[in-house]
Amino acid sequence: GNSVTQMEGPVTLSEEAFLTINCTYTATGYPSLFWYVQYPGEGLQLLLKATKADDKGSNKGFEATYRKETTSFHLEKGSVQVSDSAVYFCALVPTSNTGKLIFGQGTTLQVKP
Amino acid sequence: KAGVTQTPRYLIKTRGQQVTLSCSPISGHRSVSWYQQTPGQGLQFLFEYFSETQRNKGNFPGRFSGRQFSNSRSEMNVSTLELGDSALYLCASSDGTGENIQYFGAGTRLSVL
Repeated sequence: GNSVTQMEGPVTLSEEAFLTINCTYTATGYPSLFWYVQYPGEGLQLLLKATKADDKGSNKGFEATYRKETTSFHLEKGSVQVSDSAVYFCALVPTSNTGKLIFGQGTTLQVKP
Repeated sequence: KAGVTQTPRYLIKTRGQQVTLSCSPISGHRSVSWYQQTPGQGLQFLFEYFSETQRNKGNFPGRFSGRQFSNSRSEMNVSTLELGDSALYLCASSDGTGENIQYFGAGTRLSVL
């Protein structure tokens, strides 16, 4: 079946540190991959996406590359800020289902000044 | 453009009651998906409606149902509420085609006592 696995949190970093949140997936075919972010008391916001192998999604300093050979989509940021503190979700849409997002368990990021 | 609007934001019900949640999608979007978010199970897909028809369904009991109106607004109903139905219910809309990127509302927080 289709599934997404994220690294366990919480992740605690100091401001300006380098961030990596690991995400691996299992899927048949060629899924689209996404990172969503959830701030306290809010819904999910799309952070970035990639729809085919070797695509790099980027937004607000965050990046992730669709690696089909390792079935991974790791999220990175070179220098985190306190305002990046949130829960990050890796997700996929299986090729055959257009409206069904399958999420990882989420990773809480806390950035300290 | 207005975002996805969910009403109400908070609900308190007792076991055995039923509840209806509402979602107004982004103007022009024809697909609405519903998700349940709990600390234990994370984000789980409930169902997707596209042009008033259920297009995808998750693994939830028949107590969970939904519908979509001709203006794309959607409602989700849960009958015979159980304590375990306490969750944040998120609605997402998309144009339903192509990359099918989903945009989320802020959610309805349901507490079952």
